[in-house]
Amino acid sequence: GQSLEQPSEVTAVEGAIVQINCTYQTSGFYGLSWYQQHDGGAPTFLSYNALDGLEETGRFSSFLSRSDSYGYLLLQELQMKDSASYFCAVRSTSGTYKYIFGTGTRLKVLA
Amino acid sequence: NAGVTQTPKFRILKIGQSMTLQCTQDMNHNYMYWYRQDPGMGLKLIYYSVGAGITDKGEVPNGYNVSRSTTEDFPLRLELAAPSQTSVYFCASTIEGAGSYEQYFGPGTRLTVT
Repeated sequence: GQSLEQPSEVTAVEGAIVQINCTYQTSGFYGLSWYQQHDGGAPTFLSYNALDGLEETGRFSSFLSRSDSYGYLLLQELQMKDSASYFCAVRSTSGTYKYIFGTGTRLKVLA
Repeated sequence: NAGVTQTPKFRILKIGQSMTLQCTQDMNHNYMYWYRQDPGMGLKLIYYSVGAGITDKGEVPNGYNVSRSTTEDFPLRLELAAPSQTSVYFCASTIEGAGSYEQYFGPGTRLTVT
């Protein structure tokens, strides 16, 4: 089957750096995406890695290594508003248009 | 652009009742999706559509039906509601070929079946 695994919860303090990992088992995909979801809200797109390597968008960076079946989201200079759930996601290349989302990581930022 | 809109925002159903969750997007996206999210869990794909008149099942389609008569609208029909369908339902859309596969989500419909 196809699955993306993430740690269930991560805690860090304001101003710190935190890394949220995503390990996957899938036969093939177009790229790795990351979404943020605040409590009671809808997921919003953060970043996308089509190729291996690091993509940077402001305080957020995302990394992909297809050879290691692994990716991560790096959040720098943490702020209280970063407290949310984060999901990795891929779109399968299996001939359909199905997106698969990870199990989600709840990030708690402490003052 | 309003993006992706969903109605209603909240709904309480009795077991066995039926309802339609509405989803509309004004971005001319061909691809649309319905997900459900149970408390503390990730998103599970119910149905998706790659264009008007074309729909297909996702991971958890049982108990649901969809139709796609226009590019803009992608309603989700619940027949004979069951407590297991208590969840938050998100509609999303995307445009293929843009290179990012970013999905745009609606605000969600919070459904309780009692």
